[in-house]
Amino acid sequence: DAGVIQSPRHEVTEMGQEVTLRCKPISGHDYLFWYRQTMMRGLELLIYFNNNVPIDDSGMPEDRFSAKMPNASFSTLKIQPSEPRDSAVYFCASSLFSGTGNTGELFFGEGSRLTVL
Amino acid sequence: AQKVTQAQTEISVVEKEDVTLDCVYETRDTTYYLFWYKQPPSGELVFLIRRNSFDEQNEISGRYSWNFQKSTSSFNFTITASQVVDSAVYFCALSEAGNNNDMRFGAGTRLTVKP
Repeated sequence: DAGVIQSPRHEVTEMGQEVTLRCKPISGHDYLFWYRQTMMRGLELLIYFNNNVPIDDSGMPEDRFSAKMPNASFSTLKIQPSEPRDSAVYFCASSLFSGTGNTGELFFGEGSRLTVL
Repeated sequence: AQKVTQAQTEISVVEKEDVTLDCVYETRDTTYYLFWYKQPPSGELVFLIRRNSFDEQNEISGRYSWNFQKSTSSFNFTITASQVVDSAVYFCALSEAGNNNDMRFGAGTRLTVKP
């Protein structure tokens, strides 16, 4: 079975440009999470969705960040305009909490490394 | 909101030594879940274990073992007879059932195992 798929794996852009990161969760999972990882702040939860509905976006740093989940198999994290301090690795993760027999673990994608010059 | 503290930023050991990674958590929820993840140099995050708040039994999986103690709000991770391949950043995480299951991570402990 395919895991969580993120694209692009690497993105280098200039300050002020729009950046869109994409995520395809594991089929059947009902939760989707976006995390950001930096040396200074570690792993930060940005936003998460349940059944495509945003539940908590309190971790989104600024209005420049937005996330959508138009359907159960796709989510985007957009930064507009991007700034050098947005440089980080962005992870998408999905999980299945409903039903029985699941462990509640998060399955992570390989991450998208963003560099804003 | 829940909080996870991993006080050890970096640990360095020599191969075959035992090493314990500490994790202390804070939560007001009575039902919660604790996790350990491994992040090797390649960057992906690998799930190691999950524990729910009602199960304080220690667990052993090969060279890995976990000690969950609610009395001290700790969920420590021990690697026995460490190997070079164990070198990674290890994250402890907490998810509260009453908080829509969002997962918060500790700062991580970077473990280096030298040959």
